[in-house]
Amino acid sequence: QLQLQESGPGVVKPSETLSLTCSVSGGSISLEYWNWIRQPPGKGLEWIGHVYYSGSTNYNPSLKSRVSISRDMSKNQFSLRLTSVTAADTAVYFCARSIVSAPRLDTWGQGILVTVSS
Amino acid sequence: EILMTQSPTTLSVSPGERAMLSCRSSQSISSNLAWYQQRPGQAPRLLIYGGSARATGIPARFSGTGSGTEFTLSISSLQSDDFAVYFCQQYSKWPLTFGGGTKVEIK
Repeated sequence: QLQLQESGPGVVKPSETLSLTCSVSGGSISLEYWNWIRQPPGKGLEWIGHVYYSGSTNYNPSLKSRVSISRDMSKNQFSLRLTSVTAADTAVYFCARSIVSAPRLDTWGQGILVTVSS
Repeated sequence: EILMTQSPTTLSVSPGERAMLSCRSSQSISSNLAWYQQRPGQAPRLLIYGGSARATGIPARFSGTGSGTEFTLSISSLQSDDFAVYFCQQYSKWPLTFGGGTKVEIK
């Protein structure tokens, strides 16, 4: 059974870089898209972007200048970097898999709350 | 980007009754629509994809209809586990976008 688990710091200082990792078990990241989505407290969902096993990426234009998503095939993990964070980046960050042929998000991690605060 | 609009924002329903949730896209997305359920403190769970196909393990009381720009999620005979927030999401064009959500609460 495919499982995803986010990890990383729960607090990041303003202007610094948010870094999260998603560890995948029960399946390989050598197929499909691997996504990051976020949800500010009490609000809706925002797709951040994805990485394909080849390393190719696709980002939400609203965040493109600050986002980088990469994968480590040897560790079966993928990662998110978001630079120059502000309080507006405070959110629960989810990692999720989507199907290449029709990218619904079929498997999600439990999410990790990241607070931007000094 | 494609704007997704859900209505109503909150729906009050008695257990055992039927709920109907609406999702509208700002342009045609064919059947490239998914519905998710999110319970408090949990990740979203895929319910419906392709506008009407139930995901693995999803009970038959959940059904999706629609294509183009108008979509509906129906939940027949609401059970206690079904009181949650529901999101629609289009995957016709990048970036993926979500509706603002409909909260189904106990009447």
